[in-house]
Amino acid sequence: EDKVVQSPLSLVVHEGDTVTLNCSYEVTNFRSLLWYKQEKKAPTFLFMLTSSGIEKKSGRLSSILDKKELFSILNITATQTGDSAVYLCAVMRAGKSTFGDGTTLTVKP
Amino acid sequence: DGGITQSPKYLFRKEGQNVTLSCEQNLNHDAMYWYRQDPGQGLRLIYYSQIVNDFQKGDIAEGYSVSREKKESFPLTVTSAQKNPTAFYLCASSIDLAGYYGYTFGSGTRLTVV
Repeated sequence: EDKVVQSPLSLVVHEGDTVTLNCSYEVTNFRSLLWYKQEKKAPTFLFMLTSSGIEKKSGRLSSILDKKELFSILNITATQTGDSAVYLCAVMRAGKSTFGDGTTLTVKP
Repeated sequence: DGGITQSPKYLFRKEGQNVTLSCEQNLNHDAMYWYRQDPGQGLRLIYYSQIVNDFQKGDIAEGYSVSREKKESFPLTVTSAQKNPTAFYLCASSIDLAGYYGYTFGSGTRLTVV
């Protein structure tokens, strides 16, 4: 059975802190790993990772995949209150995807 | 603007009733999906469809039914057989079934059984 585990489940930080969110997986026929940000309703796409060791960056957010150790991390530097959200990790394989339970990030002023 | 529209945003259902959640997309995506999200949990796949008139069960299909009569539309019916239907339901679409390029999500429907 495919499994995606995110940690921590929740995290509270102050503005300006740097956070690292983790996603480990056990999935057959891996195609890609995706990160989403869910604030209130629809998850919005952040990154898609397919190759090990290649960092994807977008502003203060970055992510990297390790296909040997079967995990990915999402880094957020200089956090802002607008970063408060649930961050979802999903692993894609042919025909289906498996989502983790998410990490709830709260950034306090 | 291209996107996915789910309706209604909020839905209340009495026990024993069937309800249908609407999902329409104008992205010309072939694949469409229904997910259920419970508090503190990730998304769990209910049904998915790659082409018109074809759909497959996901991980938690019991108590749900779908149809795909048009490429743009993938309605979900929550039947009385679903024991615990109160949840947040998300519809998504992707260019291909593999979801290689990720999903586009609708804004969701929050269903509450009263």
